[in-house]
Amino acid sequence: QVQLVESGGGVVQPGKSLRLSCAASGFPFGSYIIHWVRQAPGKGLEWVGVTSYDGSNEYYADSVKGRFTISRDNSKNTLYLHMNSLRAEDTAVYYCTRENYNILTGFYTGFDYWGQGNLVSVSS
Amino acid sequence: DIQLTQSPSFLSASVGDRVTITCRASHDISNYLAWYQQKPGKAPKLLIFGASTLQGGVPSRFSGSGSGTEFSLTINSLQPEDFATYYCQQLKTYPRTFGQGTKVEIK
Repeated sequence: QVQLVESGGGVVQPGKSLRLSCAASGFPFGSYIIHWVRQAPGKGLEWVGVTSYDGSNEYYADSVKGRFTISRDNSKNTLYLHMNSLRAEDTAVYYCTRENYNILTGFYTGFDYWGQGNLVSVSS
Repeated sequence: DIQLTQSPSFLSASVGDRVTITCRASHDISNYLAWYQQKPGKAPKLLIFGASTLQGGVPSRFSGSGSGTEFSLTINSLQPEDFATYYCQQLKTYPRTFGQGTKVEIK
């Protein structure tokens, strides 16, 4: 079955870096766009960013642009979120999530599978 | 960027009630809208995409409607397991913005 498993979270000091991983299984990883979404404690969902199927294009939320980088290794079925210059406001549960796509209609059909979430806490 | 505004932010209802949540987009997004349900400590669950298409396995008491800039999620005959927070999301463009959420609580 489809699985997305995040790892790499933890406590980190402001200004430091951290890398999250998202290991995928149960589907052809290279055929799907995988996003990062985060949720600060007690807050709503915030889209973080995405990379294209082959990693050649990236899009980011303004709040993380220039500090976060998304990459993927299709040979390892793994997505990464490289977080630099971390701030207290980056404290959140980070989810990786698959966006489905109807190849016949060209229609995006939502984020249908999500990882369990991984907590990143930025604190001195 | 496309902004999504949900209303209400908080809703108190009883089992068996019919509830409706509204999502307004700042720009025309056609029917590129999804709805999610999230329970505490859990990842969101996709309920509806294409504004009105039910994701597989989602009970038929959930329905979505709308197009352009005005959308709604309706839950007919609210069940105990439906008490959760609901989010809309636009799939038209990047960033893939979410609404701020609507918490549905037991009256």
